Amino acid sequence: GAVVSQHPSRVICKSGTSVKIECRSLDFQATTMFWYRQFPKQSLMLMATSNEGSKATYEQGVEKDKFLINHASLTLSTLTVTSAHPEDSSFYICSAIFRTSGGLANEQFFGPGTRLTVL
Amino acid sequence: RKEVEQDPGPFNVPEGATVAFNCTYSNSASQSFFWYRQDCRKEPKLLMSVYSSGNEDGRFTAQLNRASQYISLLIRDSKLSDSATYLCVVNPTGTASKLTFGTGTRLQVTL
Repeated sequence: GAVVSQHPSRVICKSGTSVKIECRSLDFQATTMFWYRQFPKQSLMLMATSNEGSKATYEQGVEKDKFLINHASLTLSTLTVTSAHPEDSSFYICSAIFRTSGGLANEQFFGPGTRLTVL
Repeated sequence: RKEVEQDPGPFNVPEGATVAFNCTYSNSASQSFFWYRQDCRKEPKLLMSVYSSGNEDGRFTAQLNRASQYISLLIRDSKLSDSATYLCVVNPTGTASKLTFGTGTRLQVTL
């Protein structure tokens, strides 16, 4: 199956700093990437949909100025958590889908996730 | 009401047992349905899609009842390696792959 990588896999930072997480599709061009967040013992919650070359679409309740998403190329999307606080500590997972000749592929390919801890 | 509801478990079963998980979804217009598996502190991985006619993949059988808005996953002959959290996942909108995840049901298979 297709491979999606995330970097870093784990990050610990001080409150007030910004953290950038990269999501890369390694063997396909991802026209759409998704960013999810998962708190302990909870489900994955979609934060935003990132389309290459256009602004991300944020889910209700997600602050677009706090969670900056840039999908500058067909293989890379970045999520920047600005002015991180302890309540932002979570498991951040990206996923990607690619476009086939018949439309968008049905399966999402998930990255391995980034565990963010804000002290 | 949550969009996708699952019993969180845990389900503790011995090796070789048959175990069934259920899931309900609230949006009757939902388009497609999946079961994902998530190991501890890892990303979810697609286990199988779920079709109205029911589908089977080895020891795993998935069923969809659109009228009752209910999805099930049956695991036969459980293995230790089946221990994981099983996520019921729904595409509620019909747009390209926007997914809604249940909180998951944890399975622990023991010797």
